Amino acid sequence: NAGVTQTPKFQVLKTGQSMTLQCAQDMNHEYMSWYRQDPGMGLRLIHYSVGAGITDQGEVPNGYNVSRSTTEDFPLRLLSAAPSQTSVYFCASSSHRDKSEAFFGQGTRLTVV
Amino acid sequence: GEDVEQSLFLSVREGDSSVINCTYTDSSSTYLYWYKQEPGAGLQLLTYIFSNMDMKQDQRLTVLLNKKDKHLSLRIADTQTGDSAIYFCAERRDNQGGKLIFGQGTELSVKP
Repeated sequence: NAGVTQTPKFQVLKTGQSMTLQCAQDMNHEYMSWYRQDPGMGLRLIHYSVGAGITDQGEVPNGYNVSRSTTEDFPLRLLSAAPSQTSVYFCASSSHRDKSEAFFGQGTRLTVV
Repeated sequence: GEDVEQSLFLSVREGDSSVINCTYTDSSSTYLYWYKQEPGAGLQLLTYIFSNMDMKQDQRLTVLLNKKDKHLSLRIADTQTGDSAIYFCAERRDNQGGKLIFGQGTELSVKP
């Protein structure tokens, strides 16, 4: 049981480049989300999904797109990277039935130069 | 996490108790969580409390919930150097699709 898997773990991008951060879970969880973590600001919600085909914006959605074509996968796309998007990104998943825990991936450390 | 507030730093001596405090804003939150993050790692769930409880104890960890004041605390008894980490509280908003809203994190430093 792999839990939540994020790739890559590290990435350096040039301003204006695009990339996709991958997130996959094998627990059949309905709810998936993306957070960014910046010093002194905790984790801020970027986008989330309550099930396949459904996505919604979180606190800081600008500059990011998501899609949820399957229950397992929830990729995060940066269309034109900016230095302000330098951060650590975490993907999480949880079940509506068991609300006691959200499972987190190990994070992706992204630097935009 | 502007709706969930934590102090940023706490320093204690090994063997002492640590108390990390958190305030939240949404009275309809059903679950409240404490997560631990060690350097360079992801988030690990430490414990959680359901909103109809006022206390939960799990080995060295005690969670207190004051719903009236929307105040949550985490007490770590006999704090060890291995407890040094960042601790995040989070509230689950079921009326917003199950979003988790996090505090800024409290960096706990344990001195020998």
